[in-house]
Amino acid sequence: DSGVTQTPKHLITATGQRVTLRCSPRSGDLSVYWYQQSLDQGLQFLIQYYNGEERAKGNILERFSAQQFPDLHSELNLSSLELGDSALYFCASSVGDLAEAFFGQGTRLTVV
Amino acid sequence: ILNVEQSPQSLHVQEGDSTNFTCSFPSSNFYALHWYRWETAKSPEALFVMTLNGDEKKKGRISATLNTKEGYSYLYIKGSQPEDSATYLCAFYNTDKLIFGTGTRLQVFP
Repeated sequence: DSGVTQTPKHLITATGQRVTLRCSPRSGDLSVYWYQQSLDQGLQFLIQYYNGEERAKGNILERFSAQQFPDLHSELNLSSLELGDSALYFCASSVGDLAEAFFGQGTRLTVV
Repeated sequence: ILNVEQSPQSLHVQEGDSTNFTCSFPSSNFYALHWYRWETAKSPEALFVMTLNGDEKKKGRISATLNTKEGYSYLYIKGSQPEDSATYLCAFYNTDKLIFGTGTRLQVFP
């Protein structure tokens, strides 16, 4: 158990809908990263938060947004969902910039 | 665009063989290089974080080296075992992003 909790584990939703994925980092970790893994693809960096502030953005679509709350949990919001958004979404947390990242179990999103 | 490349994409070895894989990354704005092990149906777990040119890290039969000037890192597994079968990911940290390579999938046959 990495100490990072992601909910839900699985999500099936229709095109055009909006979903929220939640991540609780390890106790004491200030950084939260979000990654997308589509079929046969690697981990694509979406966004990073540090202590409540957005730190870095990757190839995150405008339909996607995220935030980190004062208690350091983070949410990834995906809207106007398309079939191609079906993927495994991972959250990871770390103490700081140079520390190893601890991954949650992922949320598998299926858009039908 | 930050590009982290790993080779080979996949590798099949016999139990007892030693093996190694490569991670190439941009040599500018280097902060850290991570290695992760990712077993099927699980999530990635960190093996090493390396920050200094010439760093060498070791954990059991697995070791890694780092060359920041030329932008590469090697991961070595000595005497591979079936339980070493996994995808090995490297990740490059520059000023603010942790970017992963696509991984090397290792299969060790008994």
